[in-house]
Amino acid sequence: GNSVTQMEGPVTLSEEAFLTINCTYTATGYPSLFWYVQYPGEGLQLLLKATKADDKGSNKGFEATYRKETTSFHLEKGSVQVSDSAVYFCALSANTGGFKTIFGAGTRLFVKA
Amino acid sequence: EAGVTQFPSHSVIEKGQTVTLRCDPISGHDNLYWYRRVMGKEIKFLLHFVKESKQDESGMPNNRFLAERTGGTYSTLKVQPAELEDSGVYFCASSLPGTGGNEQFFGPGTRLTVL
Repeated sequence: GNSVTQMEGPVTLSEEAFLTINCTYTATGYPSLFWYVQYPGEGLQLLLKATKADDKGSNKGFEATYRKETTSFHLEKGSVQVSDSAVYFCALSANTGGFKTIFGAGTRLFVKA
Repeated sequence: EAGVTQFPSHSVIEKGQTVTLRCDPISGHDNLYWYRRVMGKEIKFLLHFVKESKQDESGMPNNRFLAERTGGTYSTLKVQPAELEDSGVYFCASSLPGTGGNEQFFGPGTRLTVL
């Protein structure tokens, strides 16, 4: 079945450091890929998405590129801020799975001032 | 436009009691999904409604869980009787009809604690 694997956390970085959170997926068909973020005390928010191979999703300085050859969708940001501290979830949705969203386990990011 | 809303935001109940969670999707969104995150693990799919019909309930853990969506509007998820392992955060999401893998809009979640 469809699945998502993302790097375990927590990840602790200093402000302005470079961030990478790795995400790989297994899916039949042609999934759409997502990164969701949950800030402390809040619900899930869509951070960015990509719907086909080689698409790059971007938002708030975060980027992720849909790599079909490596089945990956790694999240990157060039310079993190304290306000980026949150839990990040990689996810996919595919017609072979009835379009339900399959999530990774989540990666907690702490950014220190 | 209002987003997906869920009620209550928190619920603390004793083992054996009944709890009902409610989700109000975005108006016009035929697709409604329930998910839950238990003990800091991954968020797992529970079930999917298209309007008032259950399209996929393969993620429902057992028959103590009952979901309804009367009239294709809001949905309820009842846990009866609740067990300790049901503790977690229950998320609801909705999406437009026919959008398939496109964006699902998530509610803030209901944190359920079973003592």
